[in-house]
Amino acid sequence: GAVVSQHPSRVICKSGTSVKIECRSLDFQATTMFWYRQFPKQSLMLMATSNEGSKATYEQGVEKDKFLINHASLTLSTLTVTSAHPEDSSFYICSAEGRRGPSYEQYFGPGTRLTVT
Amino acid sequence: GQQVMQIPQYQHVQEGEDFTTYCNSSTTLSNIQWYKQRPGGHPVFLIQLVKSGEVKKQKRLTFQFGEAKKNSSLHITATQTTDVGTYFCAGWFGNEKLTFGTGTRLTIIP
Repeated sequence: GAVVSQHPSRVICKSGTSVKIECRSLDFQATTMFWYRQFPKQSLMLMATSNEGSKATYEQGVEKDKFLINHASLTLSTLTVTSAHPEDSSFYICSAEGRRGPSYEQYFGPGTRLTVT
Repeated sequence: GQQVMQIPQYQHVQEGEDFTTYCNSSTTLSNIQWYKQRPGGHPVFLIQLVKSGEVKKQKRLTFQFGEAKKNSSLHITATQTTDVGTYFCAGWFGNEKLTFGTGTRLTIIP
């Protein structure tokens, strides 16, 4: 099946610094990628939809200046958490959209656990 | 807004017992997908249902899509310890966004 990688898998950073997370579709081209945030024992909350070559579409309540998304190619999207604070600590998961028959399926990356100290 | 509710939130079963999780939407879904997330892992796609009243089986797992395409269920027969995890339904409402349910966390008592 389709493979999506995410890097890094874990990152610990100090408050006020920025962290970049990469999401790559390894064996298919993804025109659309999604970024989710998951708090412990909770569901996935969509943060933004990233389309290759255009600006990301952010969900209500997600600060676009804090969570910078770049989708420069059909296989790479990046999420940069700027000026991170402890409340940004979370599990961030990306997914890439692929076509399966008449519908679309999402292939998830392994996630990045961010801890801000 | 478009929401997908899932019940129960938690389920503890003895190994060998059956398990069912239910997913409900207030509006009609284009299709529904089911994912499993192991503890510490990421969601893994299980199946997609598209047609009204559709039933699909994967070994001990049975997935059902309601006639009105507003609800779905996942039933596991004779649970095993490998079934541990959180099961999410996720629905497409016809737009380009997948909305996840709240999830059901399944634990197995050996």
